[in-house]
Amino acid sequence: EADIYQTPRYLVIGTGKKITLECSQTMGHDKMYWYQQDPGMELHLIHYSYGVNSTEKGDLSSESTVSRIRTEHFPLTLESARPSHTSQYLCASSEYGKTGGTEAFFGQGTRLTVV
Amino acid sequence: GDSVTQMEGPVTLSEEAFLTINCTYTATGYPSLFWYVQYPGEGLQLLLKATKADDKGSNKGFEATYRKETTSFHLEKGSVQVSDSAVYFCALSDRNQFYFGTGTSLTVIP
Repeated sequence: EADIYQTPRYLVIGTGKKITLECSQTMGHDKMYWYQQDPGMELHLIHYSYGVNSTEKGDLSSESTVSRIRTEHFPLTLESARPSHTSQYLCASSEYGKTGGTEAFFGQGTRLTVV
Repeated sequence: GDSVTQMEGPVTLSEEAFLTINCTYTATGYPSLFWYVQYPGEGLQLLLKATKADDKGSNKGFEATYRKETTSFHLEKGSVQVSDSAVYFCALSDRNQFYFGTGTSLTVIP
């Protein structure tokens, strides 16, 4: 069983609020990711990190920001939530630099609804 | 660039039917290939993987063979169960980046 945790699982919040989605892993993985999953199921990479103090934007433009101060922790923050941010957010981690066979481990996701 | 193309759904099968979900990929290097499964309200779970050409990944009755000549990694199961109802994602990992297909929804009816 994967040791990667997301909190909260579900969140309903009003427009304009600041929110932080938490993601932690205990596997010592250097690389971590945030994906946004639309209702059509497709995954969109919004942020990733190669390690502490490393953050990169993904393929999908996002108004969110991330930080990586500790290896195990990769929180995602929305400064001002909008209804268009309503989605499922998935955090994942993987080993970095290992050639062949390295898979991504996913958290259970956070279902965010902005009203 | 690298990419994954998988069969569009939704797919509906009767219990004990044979399942195939097609997946093809484009990659410039030597990727690892994966199938993930997602149950409602959950994250993705690794179902099986293959790291080099001709490898066969298998788990819970599901199988997929890494075919370099056809750049394919089709998922198969001989006899599906109601509990297999989920969304299935084909994915590849190359040079520390992951690329996912768009997902195929499977519903198995009794």
